[in-house]
Amino acid sequence: DAKTTQPPSMDCAEGRAANLPCNHSTISGNEYVYWYRQIHSQGPQYIIHGLKNNETNEMASLIITEDRKSSTLILPHATLRDTAVYYCIVRNAGGTSYGKLTFGQGTILTVHP
Amino acid sequence: NAGVTQTPKFQVLKTGQSMTLQCAQDMNHNSMYWYRQDPGMGLRLIYYSASEGTTDKGEVPNGYNVSRLNKREFSLRLESAAPSQTSVYFCASRLSGLAKNIQYFGAGTRLSVL
Repeated sequence: DAKTTQPPSMDCAEGRAANLPCNHSTISGNEYVYWYRQIHSQGPQYIIHGLKNNETNEMASLIITEDRKSSTLILPHATLRDTAVYYCIVRNAGGTSYGKLTFGQGTILTVHP
Repeated sequence: NAGVTQTPKFQVLKTGQSMTLQCAQDMNHNSMYWYRQDPGMGLRLIYYSASEGTTDKGEVPNGYNVSRLNKREFSLRLESAAPSQTSVYFCASRLSGLAKNIQYFGAGTRLSVL
């Protein structure tokens, strides 16, 4: 699986968009980008994933660059409850490793009032 | 629909004691996982089960055993607990299928070994 690089921490004002970057310059053609978050003292929560097209769901949007070497998770209107550690994970779709996820250090997003 | 349920939520053990962490999912998922998370660290995979009847070692399996009792349940056993096993343990299950590396996590078990 490709290695990812994320900033260790970011701040955002409540109500503003939070844009969390992830670098995955060694991503290969069959690898997807997944985003999870972990709110303090809770289990990780799946947010969104994509291959090459931009994706949007009720939680967030995922923008993947054309060369797929980086991506940005966008929380359009951040709230205090979005304060969490956000993990960017690159993973192939199948293979023999049965969906094992590798969680790095992630980005600590703090949303301020 | 409860998702992934872990019991107990908290546990304190003495060194050398044994215990089993329970995990059950009601989403009919084939794959299940056990992770541990130490303070300030990311999650590390202990064991996983790709399907009922199969289990495999993950990144940090030493000191643990697992049982995939049936499709719903995947338990983690510490035979002789050590202080180094003080951690938060998370169970997860996975929706299978192409591109579906989406795992659903339980609330965790906070274990202290004295």
